[in-house]
Amino acid sequence: EPEVTQTPSHQVTQMGQEVILRCVPISNHLYFYWYRQILGQKVEFLVSFYNNEISEKSEIFDDQFSVERPDGSNFTLKIRSTKLEDSAMYFCASSLQGRSNQPQHFGDGTRLSIL
Amino acid sequence: DQQVKQNSPSLSVQEGRISILNCDYTNSMFDYFLWYKKYPAEGPTFLISISSIKDKNEDGRFTVFLNKSAKHLSLHIVPSQPGDSAVYFCAPRAKYSGGGADGLTFGKGTHLIIQP
Repeated sequence: EPEVTQTPSHQVTQMGQEVILRCVPISNHLYFYWYRQILGQKVEFLVSFYNNEISEKSEIFDDQFSVERPDGSNFTLKIRSTKLEDSAMYFCASSLQGRSNQPQHFGDGTRLSIL
Repeated sequence: DQQVKQNSPSLSVQEGRISILNCDYTNSMFDYFLWYKKYPAEGPTFLISISSIKDKNEDGRFTVFLNKSAKHLSLHIVPSQPGDSAVYFCAPRAKYSGGGADGLTFGKGTHLIIQP
């Protein structure tokens, strides 16, 4: 069964450094998402992306964050200047369509640790 | 932001019995309700969904019930199996009229533990 893959599985970065989290969505999917889960808290929506532009973004997704689909297969999340509170699991997801009944398929996440 | 509430952080059920996981919501704009299951060190996996125009959807051992007037839904698993031990998230979606897609709103999850 096709799946969403995320690399790396664990990223350790010094505070203030830039970090790029990478995702390869399911190949025929058109809609892409990033979520994060701080330890002990809910999974929170960050951003959705379709047709090479952001569809929706949450309050969490401020100017420090950006997303890009640099080629036909990768989808990346960049955090420009990391803060301690950015430490979390980051999940990428994709869906075939954007309608509310379409399930999103998640990768296994990247654990980001900011020192 | 408490649009979605899963008030039981954990639930312990004996193998073979029925597991019932509950979810309450406040946003009347939600029109699809999805359940996801999550094992440690893995991403959420889609389990089952229900449209707001239905009150029940069944898929094998999994049934979801929706009570729109009470803004309450429940996931029933019967019979419960050891592999069902996981965290279960309720994730409603509002009808989206834009050209793209919006994100899921997750509850805090219920940790289901199936005891042998």
